[in-house]
Parts: sequence; C-alpha cells; structure tokens
Amino acid sequence: GAGVSQSPRYKVAKRGQDVALRCDPISGHVSLFWYQQALGQGPEFLTYFQNEAQLDKSGLPSDRFFAERPEGSVSTLKIQRTQQEDSAVYLCASTNNRGRTDTQYFGPGTRLTVL
Amino acid sequence: KQEVTQIPAALSVPEGENLVLNCSFTDSAIYNLQWFRQDPGKGLTSLLLIQSSQREQTSGRLNASLDKSSGRSTLYIAASQPGDSATYLCAAHRDSGGSNYKLTFGKGTLLTVNP
Repeated sequence: GAGVSQSPRYKVAKRGQDVALRCDPISGHVSLFWYQQALGQGPEFLTYFQNEAQLDKSGLPSDRFFAERPEGSVSTLKIQRTQQEDSAVYLCASTNNRGRTDTQYFGPGTRLTVL
Repeated sequence: KQEVTQIPAALSVPEGENLVLNCSFTDSAIYNLQWFRQDPGKGLTSLLLIQSSQREQTSGRLNASLDKSSGRSTLYIAASQPGDSATYLCAAHRDSGGSNYKLTFGKGTLLTVNP
C-alpha cells in the first residue's frame, strides 16, 4: 500500500473490555513496531516484529497487552481488561530495514479512550 | 537508560522568522538521530535522519545538526510558514548492537507560526 494504515482510528472502550487494534504496514516491509503515545508525551516503544517473529516485547506495560503478526504482514495489538491508564494513541511503524536504523514509517495511530 | 529532552516545550513565532528547536540526549552512544513532525490526529513524518558519523543534514528550509560529544541536536527552520505549525519530535537510535532498532523520543516542541 501507499503507507501504513491503522484501524480503527478511534476506539472508546468501557473499563474492563478487550480491544484489538490493527496495523497494515507498507507492503513488503520486514520490520514492524508498536508505540504508545500518552497525551503530551513522545511515543514509547512497545514491541518489535521481524516478519512474524516478535523479537522484543520489553515495552509492553503489562501481561494484558499482547501483539501478534502471524503471517509477517498485518499486526494486531490486543489489550485485555482495559484500564483508564491504557488511554493513549497507539502508533504502528514499519521499515524495510531488518530491524536496524532506517527511517520508520508511521501510521496515523489509533486513539484509545477507556471510560 | 537513554533520556531525550526537548526545549522549548512550545514556541510561537511570526511568519518569516528563523527558529531553532533543541534536543538533548543523555547517552552519546547513539547510532543516529531523527527529527519527526506530528500534525494533530496524524502519525509521525520523518523529516531528517542524521547518522552518528555526520554532523548535519539539510532538506529544503530545514537543517539538523548533531553533536554527539555534547549530547545535542538542533533543528533549524528558515523563513517559517504557517504550514510549519506542528509538533516536532526528536528521537535517538541507541548504538547497542542487538537492540539499536529502538527509538527513544523526546516529548516534542509544539510550534505555532502565526500569519
């Protein structure tokens, strides 16, 4: 595709609900990243995939957060039993570079609001 | 742990003015440094990427410099325009061998250029 796309763009959840956020990276991009951006803050790293392999999940804030990329393209970030502190913009990025230091291309993000 | 700080947090200037945004980082072992632009409700757009071996990069009216020894980078915008209004984020790729894919972001500088 022309760029990284994310869906939904906005999600409102009641506390305790499960949510699933989708990322479609640029076609052929090997590496995929998820970031969390709280209001007024810079993005913070959550997890990194190289193809279908999740090589780093050290940034996931709790075991309620789970990410997958089963076929090495589309990725889903799932948050179980959402809490108010999960409210943030979740950004996905991809790069053709094998996890190294090339420019990361970002999607528009999903704004999650937990009531 | 790498920490990235951006000063000022917000800046308002009249159209046509030249301006400088500042970024500092605590760990000088960086692989490269990137400047991004973020518009409201949108993802990040990469503006400039400076490799650790370089001192500056230029693109149009933008010039970014890097001084690893002092842990500083600056983004210079010449002849600012209202369309430059956005949040500007700097981010560092850590030079740590296996995990240098991780970007550490500052909180950003909110720039407003007034017509």
